[in-house]
Amino acid sequence: AQSVTQLGSHVSVSEGALVLLRCNYSSSVPPYLFWYVQYPNQGLQLLLKYTTGATLVKGINGFEAEFKKSETSFHLTKPSAHMSDAAEYFCAVSSNTGGGNKLTFGTGTQLKVEL
Amino acid sequence: NAGVMQNPRHLVRRRGQEARLRCSPMKGHSHVYWYRQLPEEGLKFMVYLQKENIIDESGMPKERFSAEFPKEGPSILRIQQVVRGDSAAYFCASSSTGTGTYEQYFGPGTRLTVT
Repeated sequence: AQSVTQLGSHVSVSEGALVLLRCNYSSSVPPYLFWYVQYPNQGLQLLLKYTTGATLVKGINGFEAEFKKSETSFHLTKPSAHMSDAAEYFCAVSSNTGGGNKLTFGTGTQLKVEL
Repeated sequence: NAGVMQNPRHLVRRRGQEARLRCSPMKGHSHVYWYRQLPEEGLKFMVYLQKENIIDESGMPKERFSAEFPKEGPSILRIQQVVRGDSAAYFCASSSTGTGTYEQYFGPGTRLTVT
């Protein structure tokens, strides 16, 4: 079974400050890891993903995340927050087990960006 | 190139009625996943379908819920005799293959309210 834990259901940063959203996962097989963003009343948009290869992955809108197997973590960062980054962020894990790639999501982190 | 489409976007049903949620995958995609998002929670997997086949329904409640993805037409998630606890946002996602391709593209969701 797989699971995802997102520490901090609400994170508040100042515009221009570093954004750090934490994600830890549990998986008995090599994981595929994802970060999605959800704006109010909208669907989920993929920010970035890790499948294999380079452990530091870059995504859209200046976000990046680093896969750390030893820490079972996949934290999301952005050097400088922008007001438009205010949204809910979900970390998710899946595995290619031959029966599809169903995603297991964390409970989400609401990011607030203040002036 | 249209994305994943879901309709209706909002659906209100009285207790005991039936709810039908439709999902049209992206063009060229033949794999559909349904997820449910309860208030203040992350998304939870319900069912994974390919054309005319249910591959994984491990997240689907055993009673009142059913899903199909016919050869022609959209995928449909059907909830019979709805109860207040069914109030949630239901998202579908599509992908071009079930394994080996990891990206799922999400629709805008159907927000079901049971009164």
